[in-house]
Amino acid sequence: VQLVESGGGLVKPGGSLRLSCVSSGFSFTDYYMGWVRQAPGKGLEWVSYISSTAGTISYADSVKGRFTISRDNANNALYLQMNNLRAEDTAVYYCVAHDKPNPPHYWGQGTLVTVSS
Amino acid sequence: SALTQPPSASGSPGQSVTISCTGTNSDVGGYNFVSWYQQHPGQAPKLIIYEVVKRPSGVPDRFSGSKSGKTASLTVSGLQAEDEADYYCSSYAGANNYLFGTGTKVTVL
Repeated sequence: VQLVESGGGLVKPGGSLRLSCVSSGFSFTDYYMGWVRQAPGKGLEWVSYISSTAGTISYADSVKGRFTISRDNANNALYLQMNNLRAEDTAVYYCVAHDKPNPPHYWGQGTLVTVSS
Repeated sequence: SALTQPPSASGSPGQSVTISCTGTNSDVGGYNFVSWYQQHPGQAPKLIIYEVVKRPSGVPDRFSGSKSGKTASLTVSGLQAEDEADYYCSSYAGANNYLFGTGTKVTVL
């Protein structure tokens, strides 16, 4: 099983960034997918979740209205569009796969997003 | 808000350590979808327990989970040096939401 994130980097407050995650080694369409983040030196925070067919999407209150999750089942890909970024969004963002309704089962290695002027 | 875990726990090699994870009837107490993760510095979390008591393939049986009411617990028996890590619990919280615990740093003395 592999989940490989990309798209992280340094962005100014108010800016945008799009994270991508490509998966392999498991049946992508059998799993709900999501994102979990971890601020430097802090704990884990669930961010967002999308069902197999994208019929169910959920966000943490801290990102609702600013982040958009999507998936491309043909290419085993997951995305997170992050707009109006704030300093408190600085974190390592992990792509995760849920064997719903369980919490995340598989994890990627993470991509660092830094929001700073 | 986050599930409550003790900040730290410790034990000597060969001993056991138990970590608690306390929530509410809307999360830990309401569902048997509690998972535990081990995270070494600089690495991604690794699933070690799911559905309260189940172990993924490859996880040693030294790791065990349980739940009573609103509190889930992870026990690491026969502590080894490589068990020194941060441990997090997570629970389904209904309405397609999930919560993580505050994290516990386990030290092998």
